[in-house]
Formats: sequence, C-alpha cells, structure tokens
Amino acid sequence: GEDVEQSLFLSVREGDSSVINCTYTDSSSTYLYWYKQEPGAGLQLLTYIFSNMDMKQDQRLTVLLNKKDKHLSLRIADTQTGDSAIYFCAETDNYGQNFVFGPGTRLSVLP
Amino acid sequence: DADVTQTPRNRITKTGKRIMLECSQTKGHDRMYWYRQDPGLGLRLIYYSFDVKDINKGEISDGYSVSRQAQAKFSLSLESAIPNQTALYFCATSDYKGNEQYFGPGTRLTVT
Repeated sequence: GEDVEQSLFLSVREGDSSVINCTYTDSSSTYLYWYKQEPGAGLQLLTYIFSNMDMKQDQRLTVLLNKKDKHLSLRIADTQTGDSAIYFCAETDNYGQNFVFGPGTRLSVLP
Repeated sequence: DADVTQTPRNRITKTGKRIMLECSQTKGHDRMYWYRQDPGLGLRLIYYSFDVKDINKGEISDGYSVSRQAQAKFSLSLESAIPNQTALYFCATSDYKGNEQYFGPGTRLTVT
C-alpha cells in the first residue's frame, strides 16, 4: 500500500530556517499536504500543493516537490518558538478518498 | 465556535465496555472521516463517509463501527473496548472535492 515517511524529530534555533522532509511511494498522488499539530489540538492545514507544481510559497512557508524522487519538503523561514509542533505530511489521490499521513516530525525550536 | 467538534474530549473506560465518540460539524461538508493517532504512526483512517447513505471502511476498521446520523453528525463506536484501542481519535470533514480536510480537536481515549 501507499506509504509516507518522515523523520520523527528536528531541532532548530530560533531565527534559523527549518526544513522538514517527506517521501511518499504513491505515484498517483495528486495532492500533497502539510499539517501542523500543536499540543492538545487537532491538525491544522498549513498548505498543500498540486502534483503538477514544483514549488509553492506562502509567507514564511515554502513547499518544494520533486515528483521524480517523490520527495516533498516544507521550509519555514525565521523559525519562531510558536512554530514548535508536530508537522504531518499527507497525500491523496484526485478523488480525496484516501488520505495517507506520515508519522509526523516533531519540530523543537530552541531559544 | 469551532467548525468541527468532538465529544468527549477525554475518556477513560474499562476493557469490554461499549463507548461512543461523537463528531459534529457546522461547515456543511458532505464528507466525514474518523482517524486514530498513535505516537510514531501518524494518523490512520478508520472509517469515512461521503454522504449520509455512504459508509466505507478505512485501513483499520476492525473493532470499530460508525453511524452517520445526519450530514453534520458522524459517530464512532467501540463495541467492546480493548487496551490497544487506547489512542487519540480525530474526526475530520471535507467538501465534495475532498482536497482539504478540517480536523476536530481530538478525543483522548484510554482503555484500562
């Protein structure tokens, strides 16, 4: 079946850039997502990218997609302590029937 | 008010008990989903429903059942809870395009 993988932990210093990586196996993935989960809360959609795009930028967030390598990354510029959370990569097909989530990357921002 | 609400937020129950988790949404979405989250495993889909008369099993439906009482309500039941069902449970909704999911705050369930 489809699989989405992420490293489980990342630590960065406040003000630095964070890069969270994700790989997926489903070549029919149409939409790829980044969600943020803060402690005690549900998942919040940060951004998503359509598979025919290779980059999307939204303020401090930059998403890069390498479809050939099935690699997705999320770059957070000027990382702040409020960015500390778990970040989930997810993918789905064109029909939105089956969302597959990665295990999540816990981002810790050090002062 | 939150668009997707879940009740209860926390529940401790004993092995063998029946328990129901409820989800309500005010987004007017047709599609609703139940996931469970376990540390290091991400979210896994239990059941999903594309409209009131449509119920589909997800990746890990064994031991669970659901009911779509109305467009806005989707409940998850554990008929006979077991300890390995201890997890964080999330409800989510999406519109007919299914491209964006909106999550509830989660229900933390502990089975002793």
